[in-house]
Amino acid sequence: KAGVTQTPRYLIKTRGQQVTLSCSPISGHRSVSWYQQTPGQGLQFLFEYFSETQRNKGNFPGRFSGRQFSNSRSEMNVSTLELGDSALYLCASRRDATNEKLFFGSGTQLSVL
Amino acid sequence: AQTVTQSQPEMSVQEAETVTLSCTYDTSESDYYLFWYKQPPSRQMILVIRQEAYKQQNATENRFSVNFQKAAKSFSLKISDSQLGDAAMYFCAYRSATRGGADGLTFGKGTHLIIQP
Repeated sequence: KAGVTQTPRYLIKTRGQQVTLSCSPISGHRSVSWYQQTPGQGLQFLFEYFSETQRNKGNFPGRFSGRQFSNSRSEMNVSTLELGDSALYLCASRRDATNEKLFFGSGTQLSVL
Repeated sequence: AQTVTQSQPEMSVQEAETVTLSCTYDTSESDYYLFWYKQPPSRQMILVIRQEAYKQQNATENRFSVNFQKAAKSFSLKISDSQLGDAAMYFCAYRSATRGGADGLTFGKGTHLIIQP
């Protein structure tokens, strides 16, 4: 069974641009969540999607958004990039909202220049 | 808001010995989950062990075990017979049991575990 797949692995953007990151969950998993990891702030919850609906969002500005498709694949978008958005973005999936076992992908490393 | 504190930025242990990583947390909730995740250089977060707060029995997974002290809000991880492959960043994490965990995981800052051969 394939794990959580995130694309691309690495991304370089400049300030002011926008970026879209993709996440394919484990087959059969309906919940996808996103986390930002930086050396300064550590790991922070961005948002979770279940059945195409955002269940909750962490303390991030509106420039961070996401969506989930009917096949459970998810994308997150960051508009008007800032230097501080440079981070490792991790996606995780779980079978459903009642299952506590999260499976993570290897992340997308975003560098904003 | 919940907080998770890992007071040891780095720990070092000889191969085959035992090491304990510390974690404390703060919450006003009574029902929650606690986790230890491992992040090797590949960056993928791997679940090591999980503990439900309502269970008094400490969780174990092969060489990994926890010491869960609910009243003290402490959740330490013990790794027995340390192996070179255990070298990684270890993160302690908290998840509320309310709202189906929709608030996501709250992580500590991590402990870098070094295994000396």
